[in-house]
Amino acid sequence: GAVVSQHPSRVICKSGTSVKIECRSLDFQATTMFWYRQFPKKSLMLMATSNEGSKATYEQGVEKDKFLINHASLTLSTLTVTSAHPEDSSFYICSAPDRVYGYTFGSGTRLTVV
Amino acid sequence: TQLLEQSPQFLSIQEGENLTVYCNSSSVFSSLQWYRQEPGEGPVLLVTVVTGGEVKKLKRLTFQFGDARKDSSLHITAAQPGDTGLYLCAGAETGNQFYFGTGTSLTVIP
Repeated sequence: GAVVSQHPSRVICKSGTSVKIECRSLDFQATTMFWYRQFPKKSLMLMATSNEGSKATYEQGVEKDKFLINHASLTLSTLTVTSAHPEDSSFYICSAPDRVYGYTFGSGTRLTVV
Repeated sequence: TQLLEQSPQFLSIQEGENLTVYCNSSSVFSSLQWYRQEPGEGPVLLVTVVTGGEVKKLKRLTFQFGDARKDSSLHITAAQPGDTGLYLCAGAETGNQFYFGTGTSLTVIP
């Protein structure tokens, strides 16, 4: 089946630093990938749509300059949390649409900003 | 944008009981999906429904898409501890961009 690999699975960083999260489609090409944020026992909140070769589309209320998205190839999208603060601590998940399996999700990244 | 409301938000039941989770919206969806998510993992797709009135069964799970394609339900028969998790519905109005429901956290007590 379709596999999306997300890395790292956990990261702890100091306040003010930047963190990059990678999302790779391993056995299919993804011109579009989605980035979500999730709080404990809550649903996924769509942050942005990553488009290969063009600018990402951000949902209302999501800071473009804080959450930088790059989709440089058909198999890789990255989310960089810049100047991270404790309130950015969360579970971040990416997904990619696949014709056969629908949405395939990465395993998520637990970000803790101290 | 949260277009879908799920109920109940939290559910704790004994092993062997039946339960139903509802997913409601005022929007019409071209397709709707149900996912189950375990802590620290990404959601896993359970089913996709596309036709109004469609019913799909997956072992002890029964999924129904409303006739008007605005709502859906998930029924679990004889729940087991392995069913514990966060259940999410997700609907697509057009294209392939899905928006997720508010989620239902299910705990099945042995």
